Amino acid sequence: QLQLQESGPGLVKPSETLSLTCTVSGGSIISTNYYCGWMRQPPGKGLEWVGSIYYSGSTYYNPSLKSRVTMSVDTSKYHCSLKLNSVTAADTAVYFCARGSMVRGVNGAFDIWGQGTMVTVSS
Amino acid sequence: SSELTQDPAVSVALGQTVRITCQGDSLRNYYTTWYQQRPGQAPLLVIYGKNSRPSGIPDRFSGSSSGTTASLTITGAQAEDEADYYCNSRDSSGNHWVFGGGTKLTVL
Repeated sequence: QLQLQESGPGLVKPSETLSLTCTVSGGSIISTNYYCGWMRQPPGKGLEWVGSIYYSGSTYYNPSLKSRVTMSVDTSKYHCSLKLNSVTAADTAVYFCARGSMVRGVNGAFDIWGQGTMVTVSS
Repeated sequence: SSELTQDPAVSVALGQTVRITCQGDSLRNYYTTWYQQRPGQAPLLVIYGKNSRPSGIPDRFSGSSSGTTASLTITGAQAEDEADYYCNSRDSSGNHWVFGGGTKLTVL
């Protein structure tokens, strides 16, 4: 069964770059039918979509974060990465990676999620 | 508009039916996805597409939509349904995703 696991530093200094990796076991996260998405959730608040990357290499980012976000996937399709630069305290959140499904009828929904990783921005 | 609006909190008596709603202009053109999130856990997909449930999601969960309003209905709510529920859909561009603010469901 496909499982996702986020990893990366739990503490990032203001103005630096947050780098996270989503490692997939039990299969690949990206194919013609599936893509990788990142979401985040500040403490006590709701979910926010950060961005998505597709098999074609196309990326789409939340307009509010677009200038600071970069997503990539390795050639094996087992790792999906997120970089967010110039971070501030407002970027403190639990970050989730998830598999998005383009299977007919699923309409892109995120059907498998990692457990999430807490990232704190503080000096 | 790319916003999705949900009531912050809803309560339901054990065994009764509850409807959680989500409003947004983009819902007129795109399906709404619903996620359940229990405290300290990752979101769980409960409804996708027109009204489909992933394997393992009880059939007491159902989804519907009319115009700019989508609804998640739980028929015969159970104690384990107490959680936050988020609606999710594409924005008007079709390439970006938007989440509602979430609804905290309390089962009394």
